[in-house]
Amino acid sequence: ILNVEQSPQSLHVQEGDSTNFTCSFPSSNFYALHWYRWETAKSPEALFVMTLNGDEKKKGRISATLNTKEGYSYLYIKGSQPEDSATYLCALAGGTSYGKLTFGQGTILTVHP
Amino acid sequence: DAGITQSPRHKVTETGTPVTLRCHQTENHRYMYWYRQDPGHGLRLIHYSYGVKDTDKGEVSDGYSVSRSKTEDFLLTLESATSSQTSVYFCAISGPGRGNNEQFFGPGTRLTVL
Repeated sequence: ILNVEQSPQSLHVQEGDSTNFTCSFPSSNFYALHWYRWETAKSPEALFVMTLNGDEKKKGRISATLNTKEGYSYLYIKGSQPEDSATYLCALAGGTSYGKLTFGQGTILTVHP
Repeated sequence: DAGITQSPRHKVTETGTPVTLRCHQTENHRYMYWYRQDPGHGLRLIHYSYGVKDTDKGEVSDGYSVSRSKTEDFLLTLESATSSQTSVYFCAISGPGRGNNEQFFGPGTRLTVL
């Protein structure tokens, strides 16, 4: 079982603040790193899938970076808005067949107006 | 939205009874997955399928079985439900590969075992 760790577990920020979270994973078992956004009472939705060391992806105010050699990824949110409140999950694809993912526990973000 | 439905969406059952959850997709994706979501654990893989009649265990498979008789349907069965199986169950689908395709999730089924 791969160990995927996310920190912090929860985060409270004010509207307009920028914030970031960390996902750590065993670098020896890397094939791809996924980020999902999960709003309350909804289903997880993919934000990014990253496969290359040094990858940097962006979607609106949200961006992510990847360091496969040291085994971590950062997710950044610039100018947080209340609608960014959600649980952010990272998941590791360890390169075995069939696209299996191991998820971290998630970071719960609450953005206060 | 990816065409994934789960049924039932909510179920309350008693310990010892069998329960079957259904995942149905209209995307013709080859891979399908069942996860459970519990506080403090994120999403944990129960079973997955890589084709019709091709299934395998995930990290928390004890007490669960699956079947996939056609591309669009993936069934999760709790042979004899226990209170520890009270959870929210999510089905997901993805295209073929080793993990570079995003997964699309169904709406979830909330199961309570009394």
